[in-house]
Amino acid sequence: GQNIDQPTEMTATEGAIVQINCTYQTSGFNGLFWYQQHAGEAPTFLSYNVLDGLEEKGRFSSFLSRSKGYSYLLLKELQMKDSASYLCAVRDAGAAGNKLTFGGGTRVLVKP
Amino acid sequence: GAGVSQSPRYKVTKRGQDVALRCDPISGHVSLYWYRQALGQGPEFLTYFNYEAQQDKSGLPNDRFSAERPEGSISTLTIQRTEQRDSAMYRCASSFGRARSITDTQYFGPGTRLTVL
Repeated sequence: GQNIDQPTEMTATEGAIVQINCTYQTSGFNGLFWYQQHAGEAPTFLSYNVLDGLEEKGRFSSFLSRSKGYSYLLLKELQMKDSASYLCAVRDAGAAGNKLTFGGGTRVLVKP
Repeated sequence: GAGVSQSPRYKVTKRGQDVALRCDPISGHVSLYWYRQALGQGPEFLTYFNYEAQQDKSGLPNDRFSAERPEGSISTLTIQRTEQRDSAMYRCASSFGRARSITDTQYFGPGTRLTVL
């Protein structure tokens, strides 16, 4: 099975940087996803890591260390619209395995 | 093009009734997934299909839950003899499929909010 841990809530100031950590213990691994979910809306895809290292996409970056079972999502130049929940999800290994196991989500509150 | 659509968006039912939740995936997406999401939690996997074949149903809580995708497009999640504990947001997602996409990102629909009285 999979076990995904991430902090419940974080608060940051507009214009600042926030780092959301995610640790996982898995029986198999074939990629880690980050999703953003605004209140009352569907999760939307942010980033994907399958190899160790940093993936950068504009203001958002995601890092993966497979040996440590660790990932983080870095949000730079925070904007008020970044207030949302951020979900870490691990994909099962194997040719048929495609289900995602999600963490509980980290609610980020951006203050002026 | 259109995203994943789900209907109804809201469903209120009485305990003991059967409900059917519909998912219409993104056109061309081979894989379709069902998740359940409690308030303040991440989505919890229920089942998924490649084309019309149900590949994994390990997340279905019990035999009152079933899903089908008979023509490899629209899918229906059915809950029989609903109970209050079944109240949740039920989300559908779709993707191109592992054979066609390395990342095979899943795109989520707006969900059906089920309330069992």
